[in-house]
Formats: sequence, structure tokens, C-alpha cells
Amino acid sequence: AQRVTQPEKLLSVFKGAPVELKCNYSYSGSPELFWYVQYSRQRLQLLLRHISRESIKGFTADLNKGETSFHLKKPFAQEEDSAMYYCALYGGSQGNLIFGKGTKLSVKP
Amino acid sequence: DTGVSQDPRHKITKRGQNVTFRCDPISEHNRLYWYRQTLGQGPEFLTYFQNEAQLEKSRLLSDRFSAERPKGSFSTLEIQRTEQGDSAMYLCASSLGSGRAYEQYFGPGTRLTVT
Repeated sequence: AQRVTQPEKLLSVFKGAPVELKCNYSYSGSPELFWYVQYSRQRLQLLLRHISRESIKGFTADLNKGETSFHLKKPFAQEEDSAMYYCALYGGSQGNLIFGKGTKLSVKP
Repeated sequence: DTGVSQDPRHKITKRGQNVTFRCDPISEHNRLYWYRQTLGQGPEFLTYFQNEAQLEKSRLLSDRFSAERPKGSFSTLEIQRTEQGDSAMYLCASSLGSGRAYEQYFGPGTRLTVT
């Protein structure tokens, strides 16, 4: 079964501290994984995809097929990073995204 | 184009009533998706369209739910005989075709409350 697991409902860090939001997946094929973010009072939006290997707003994520993980990392958290983060798996032929339950990141001053 | 829009933003209805939601996608996007999100959960896929064709339906989409996209532009999601368990945020998203279908642009959602 295709599944995305985000084990932490809430992650609270201080400004300037490193951040790692965990994501594990279950998928029988070659996975396409993404991180979506929802800031307060805004709509859900794409943050980054694993294929591009780019850094967006200082965040990076590496796909580890051995550990079936796609953790989101940022070396120095900023207050404006506070948001709800969703890891998502693209279902390919089914056309849909499979989301985890989300992790709320709170960055304290 | 201001992005994906949804109407209404909020809907309160009594159990047993029918409700209909509308989604207007980004104009050049040929794919349109409906998701449902309940408290503490991520969005759950309901169905999607490529142009006017409904290509996939989740098992979450019971017989009381029907979605249409008659001209390949806007879409409607109707829930008949609403139940309290239908209370949720209903999200619409749109994307370009298969090569970019992972990049979905979401609307603000319609929050349904069934009393």
C-alpha cells in the first residue's frame, strides 16, 4: 500500500536552531516525493520536490531509498518558517498526491 | 488569473440536505483534483479530471458524492443526503498534464459543517 508517515504532529524549535521534519514512505515503484507547506491563513503550496535537489527558502530534502525517507531539513530556522508541512507522494498513474498527516513547525524567537 | 478559486468558502447545512461546491482552476491547467481534509489529517484524494473526463475516483467517494467538469473548465462536487461525517474542508487543486501533474495548485477550500 502507498503510504506517507510523518511521525511528529508538532515540532517546536528556537530561531537559529536546525530543523528536521521527518517523512517516511511506502511505495512499490520508484517514488516521487514532495514537500508542501501551508502558512497561516494561506493555501497549501509546493515547497520542493526531490528530483530537483534544489534548496527553497533554505530547506533541502534528500530521498533515501534504503530508509524510505524524505526528511526536510534547514540548518537555521527562522520565525517565518512557522507553518504546517506536509510530505506527499505522487501516485503516478493514479494522478493524485498521497499526503502525510502533517507536522506543525513552530519557530520561537 | 488569481489562482484556483472555490465557492462557497463556508457552508453550514443540516443533515440530509444536498450541497454543491464549485471550483475554478487555473485557466491553462487541464487537470483538476478534489481532496477532503479533516482535522489532524492531510488532504485525502477524492477524484480527478483530465479535461472533462473523470479518470480516477477514490473509495472515499461514496455513492452520495458526484463530481462533474462538463466543459473541461470549472468543476462541481455535489454531496447528497449529507451526514455529519461529511464535515470537512473540501480542497480543489489544478495542474498541468502528466509531466507536471505533481505540481498542484490548491484553492482556499470550502469548509462544510453538517449539523
